This record gives sequence, structure tokens and C-alpha cells, in this order.
Amino acid sequence: EDQVTQSPEALRLQEGESSSLNCSYTVSGLRGLFWYRQDPGKGPEFLFTLYSAGEEKEKERLKATLTKKESFLHITAPKPEDSATYLCAGFHGSSNTGKLIFGQGTTLQVKP
Amino acid sequence: DAGVTQSPTHLIKTRGQQVTLRCSPKSGHDTVSWYQQALGQGPQFIFQYYEEEERQRGNFPDRFSGHQFPNYSSELNVNALLLGDSALYLCASSLSDYGYTFGSGTRLTVV
Repeated sequence: EDQVTQSPEALRLQEGESSSLNCSYTVSGLRGLFWYRQDPGKGPEFLFTLYSAGEEKEKERLKATLTKKESFLHITAPKPEDSATYLCAGFHGSSNTGKLIFGQGTTLQVKP
Repeated sequence: DAGVTQSPTHLIKTRGQQVTLRCSPKSGHDTVSWYQQALGQGPQFIFQYYEEEERQRGNFPDRFSGHQFPNYSSELNVNALLLGDSALYLCASSLSDYGYTFGSGTRLTVV
């Protein structure tokens, strides 16, 4: 069964305290691994797509990496505005008949 | 450039009633997918529409149905509402690739 699991469920950091979020996946025919940010009451906001093991992508204080079984979202020197729920999703299928399989998310709180 | 627009933003319904949620995709996008997100959980795939046809369906009962119109907009219909249908319903659009853009969702509360 296709599955995406994120850990930890919740993470509290002090401003400037770097850390990593984990996403483990078992998705048959994985066509891409997505990271989204979601603020309360809002829809997910796209951050990164990773397509092959060894790939890395960066955006401001965020860096996403991918292995054959896991993806990590590294947060360097976070700020309070980075507080949100981070969702990981595996894409299964082809371009017009595919679906995202989401993990349950990691809720990040960054305190000043 | 307008993103994905969903309406209404909030909705309260009684058990047994029927509800229709609406989605206008991002300009230029032709594929619409619907997801259900229960509180504290990740979104779950309901179904996907392309060329006005349901192309793929997740593990949801037949009470959940949808439609896509020639202008690519879409509707999600839920019949015989249950308390467990209370959730944030998200619409995502894409253009023949994996770049999904999500709307802000419709918060449905069933009482």
C-alpha cells in the first residue's frame, strides 16, 4: 500500500535553531516528491518538487533532499514566520491521471 | 494572475443534506483534483477531472461525485452528509504536469 509518513508530528524551535523534518515514503511508481507549506485555514503552498535520489533544492532558509526511501526538509536559522505545517507528498501516476499521497504533516513552531 | 478560487469559503450543513462546492482553476490549467483534509491530518485524494471526465478516484464512497465544465471549472457534490464529512475540502489544478496549485479550500461543518 502506498504510504507517506512524516516525523516528528510537531516541532518547537527557538529562532535560529536549525533542524530537519523527515518524510519516509513507499509509493509505487513514484513520479515526484513534493513539499508544501500550509498555514492555518489555508491551502497548501508549493515549496519544492524532487524527482530523483540525490537531488537537492533550496529556497531561502529551506533545503529539500531526496533519497530512495526518504526526503528531508532542512530548516536553517528559522524565523517565527517559518511557523506552519509542512506537508510531504508522493506523486503517483501519470500527468493527467495522477494523485498526491500526503503525509500527516509536521507542525513547526518557531519562538522568538 | 488569479490562482485557484474556491467557493464558498465556509459552509454549515445538517446531517443528511446535500452540498455543492465549486472550484475555478488557475488560468491555463486544465486538470482539477479534489482533496479532503480532516483536522490535523494530511489531505486525502477524492478524485481528478480532465477533459470533463473523472480520470482517477480515491477511496471515497459514491456519495461523493463531481463534474468538470468546458471552461475547466469543477464542482464537488456530497450527498447524505455525515458528521464525518466535516473537513477542509481543497481543490488543486494543474496543466498536464505535476505542478499542482491549491486553493484556500472550503471549510464544511456538518451538524
